[in-house]
Amino acid sequence: SQQGEEDPQALSIQEGENATMNCSYKTSINNLQWYRQNSGRGLVHLILIRSNEREKHSGRLRVTLDTSKKSSSLLITASRAADTASYFCATDRTGGGNKLTFGTGTQLKVEL
Amino acid sequence: DTGVSQDPRHKITKRGQNVTFRCDPISEHNRLYWYRQTLGQGPEFLTYFQNEAQLEKSRLLSNRFSAERPKGSFSTLEIQRTEQGDSAMYLCASSQGHMNTEAFFGQGTRLTVV
Repeated sequence: SQQGEEDPQALSIQEGENATMNCSYKTSINNLQWYRQNSGRGLVHLILIRSNEREKHSGRLRVTLDTSKKSSSLLITASRAADTASYFCATDRTGGGNKLTFGTGTQLKVEL
Repeated sequence: DTGVSQDPRHKITKRGQNVTFRCDPISEHNRLYWYRQTLGQGPEFLTYFQNEAQLEKSRLLSNRFSAERPKGSFSTLEIQRTEQGDSAMYLCASSQGHMNTEAFFGQGTRLTVV
């Protein structure tokens, strides 16, 4: 079953704009991870944020985590056409053996 | 090659046939996971291994699905008597198995049952 819900389901922006995607989940977690998937391809790991962290940066990516609200956000700044992909959040549940439970994904389209 | 490798990348099979997929994890990773992804959905966990031990298989979709990791290195996922509903992307991932370590995915095997 899907643990998380991403919001929005689809997002279309212009190159250079920022893109924000949100993720909500239901159970306590060890960490939350964001992945990117280009059409028909495997998943590329973007960033991991631990349950005791509130914000993390990696290049143009900024991730926040609010465990009290069971939510996370992924911000991509200065987007590029190459950022066009589906983005998934995945939670590593407490006591879950490190297996991941994925959300439904946000389809991001960055137009020139 | 330092990534997770899956073979084949694509498989077309007739309904009722058996198929087997292979996954080679990152060499120092002791945990290996199998997921299934259908169109428009996020990956769904199937099973995982710690070295050669299969720690959870309750999420395997039916008794037609089985997985092995005989020497704690590569793994195989077999689907017997395939059905059209088995058509999906089958993804393998590996991790070091410690808390708060990333899982790295392979490119997946796209199965089409006709």
